[in-house]
Amino acid sequence: EDQVTQSPEALRLQEGESSSLNCSYTVSGLRGLFWYRQDPGKGPEFLFTLYSAGEEKEKERLKATLTKKESFLHITAPKPEDSATYLCAVQESGGGADGLTFGKGTHLIIQP
Amino acid sequence: ETGVTQSPTHLIKTRGQQVTLRCSSQSGHNTVSWYQQALGQGPQFIFQYYREEENGRGNFPPRFSGLQFPNYSSELNVNALELDDSALYLCASSSNRAIEEKLFFGSGTQLSVL
Repeated sequence: EDQVTQSPEALRLQEGESSSLNCSYTVSGLRGLFWYRQDPGKGPEFLFTLYSAGEEKEKERLKATLTKKESFLHITAPKPEDSATYLCAVQESGGGADGLTFGKGTHLIIQP
Repeated sequence: ETGVTQSPTHLIKTRGQQVTLRCSSQSGHNTVSWYQQALGQGPQFIFQYYREEENGRGNFPPRFSGLQFPNYSSELNVNALELDDSALYLCASSSNRAIEEKLFFGSGTQLSVL
């Protein structure tokens, strides 16, 4: 059973058309939920960490929110340079270095 | 401040061979993690090294092994390569073992196994 499920798999928007990406997770205890951006041929680039339900973080046109079962990445008035794959990842609580568990990502295309 | 660098960028091997991938951590970072990213998938955790010792491991067989050196650079070794090992291998560094610290990823090594 997947611990992290992202939807939609792909999304095509017009420049300026706002939308949201979803990340659903199932873990026994959440240490942190992470959003990364990945451009073609590059490694993921850190965007946000969220720790508890109700938390929100913003950066330019992006806003991440967290509930007990899912996280949303809201994109407001996107520009073509926002085109990328957006990855969600979780780290479970319980000690130890178990790494991050990533979803498959949402491939976002912003058309001019 | 230099970022995370990986070498080589691309590599082609045949089934059964062995491969070594290299990573230089970001300046000041003492923890390095390795991830495998298959095409169309998210990265999958292989293992983490902290102060030259393996500090955690994902669901990968023992033929995946690693090293971390005193300067915090790292190697990923894969023995007896299989076709399914074809993937992008990502190295990530952080300033401590607490993985909730944001990870800084390199651009990866694209490994093709024929």
